[in-house]
Amino acid sequence: DSGVTQTPKHLITATGQRVTLRCSPRSGDLSVYWYQQSLDQGLQFLIQYYNGEERAKGNILERFSAQQFPDLHSELNLSSLELGDSALYFCASSVDGVYNSPLHFGNGTRLTVT
Amino acid sequence: AQSVTQLGSHVSVSEGALVLLRCNYSSSVPPYLFWYVQYPNQGLQLLLKYTSAATLVKGINGFEAEFKKSETSFHLTKPSAHMSDAAEYFCAVSEMGGSSYKLIFGSGTRLLVRP
Repeated sequence: DSGVTQTPKHLITATGQRVTLRCSPRSGDLSVYWYQQSLDQGLQFLIQYYNGEERAKGNILERFSAQQFPDLHSELNLSSLELGDSALYFCASSVDGVYNSPLHFGNGTRLTVT
Repeated sequence: AQSVTQLGSHVSVSEGALVLLRCNYSSSVPPYLFWYVQYPNQGLQLLLKYTSAATLVKGINGFEAEFKKSETSFHLTKPSAHMSDAAEYFCAVSEMGGSSYKLIFGSGTRLLVRP
């Protein structure tokens, strides 16, 4: 158990809809990362937060947004969903967000858009 | 920008045989390298990390990796495969940009272990 909790585990929704994925980092970790895993794109970095502030953006679509709250949990919001957004979304956390700190991953949220 | 390339999307070995999973990196600065393992329906779990203290890094579950700067490689090995090693393995390099840091992952290698 990595200590990172993601909810829900599975999500099935229709095109055009909006969903929210939630992540609770390991106790004591200040940095949260979101990754998308799909068969054709592999593991793609979406966004990083550190202690409530956005630190880095990757291949995140404009239809997607995220935030980290004062209690350090994070939410990833996906809107105007398309079939191609179907993927496994991982949250990871690290203690301080520096370059040699390992990331601890949750078990992911599997999103299916129909 | 840093990147990693994993050679072979699938590797099949017999139980008890040597496991060798290949990873080559591209980095303009001394890299920090990681290997992660993903079991079915689970998140990624850290196997080991290289942070320049030693070129041979030992990880969990009997895995180790050797950093070879001359070959820009960080291959993962295990002397004797076990059925429980069947999983997908990802090599990753850290990338820094200003105050941010993220991991860039390779495309993964699925390890199959034959009885």
